[in-house]
Amino acid sequence: GAVVSQHPSWVICKSGTSVKIECRSLDFQATTMFWYRQFPKQSLMLMATSNEGSKATYEQGVEKDKFLINHASLTLSTLTVTSAHPEDSSFYICSARDPLRDLKDTQYFGPGTRLTVL
Amino acid sequence: AQSVTQLGSHVSVSEGALVLLRCNYSSSVPPYLFWYVQYPNQGLQLLLKYTTGATLVKGINGFEAEFKKSETSFHLTKPSAHMSDAAEYFCAVSEGKFYFGSGTKLNVKP
Repeated sequence: GAVVSQHPSWVICKSGTSVKIECRSLDFQATTMFWYRQFPKQSLMLMATSNEGSKATYEQGVEKDKFLINHASLTLSTLTVTSAHPEDSSFYICSARDPLRDLKDTQYFGPGTRLTVL
Repeated sequence: AQSVTQLGSHVSVSEGALVLLRCNYSSSVPPYLFWYVQYPNQGLQLLLKYTTGATLVKGINGFEAEFKKSETSFHLTKPSAHMSDAAEYFCAVSEGKFYFGSGTKLNVKP
């Protein structure tokens, strides 16, 4: 149980285009999802917290107009990287909480999406 | 804000040897503590967590960790390393949102 999927697992795009990454909770409803990015050989950096039906909360230094987050349902959150540039190339990982399974803040992580911007 | 320190970005052990990965946190109030493992090009898998109760926590794959409030530590151990344990390990502290350590890459030598 508590499985989180991401799609696509990898994507290559041209500079200036937009890319959408999906994060789904497969066997539970997630009122809260999180988006992280991870640079090579580094730790995870929280980008934003996504709550179903409301606006995402972005961490300091993360451009909300560049990284659009939509959490339209209890099982799906999307991250759209708008006008992507090579410096946006990274590993993007989402996570979700299952409030019915665990009340103690546990996050379940997706497999990640490797974005390469040419 | 919380800070999480993982001493040793790389740890190398022989197969069958003890694994010890260190994690210290900065909170004055005991937070929720987690260890995750990440294999190359994959997401994070929960190994174990401490919330309340018994300070020695057992997780998957033979790993365990002990919460020591006096030392603000949550070190991860495994009595006997296996080749399949080679991966990157992250310690995390939760205070609503997660704060991750910088990670420790475990190498297991045959």
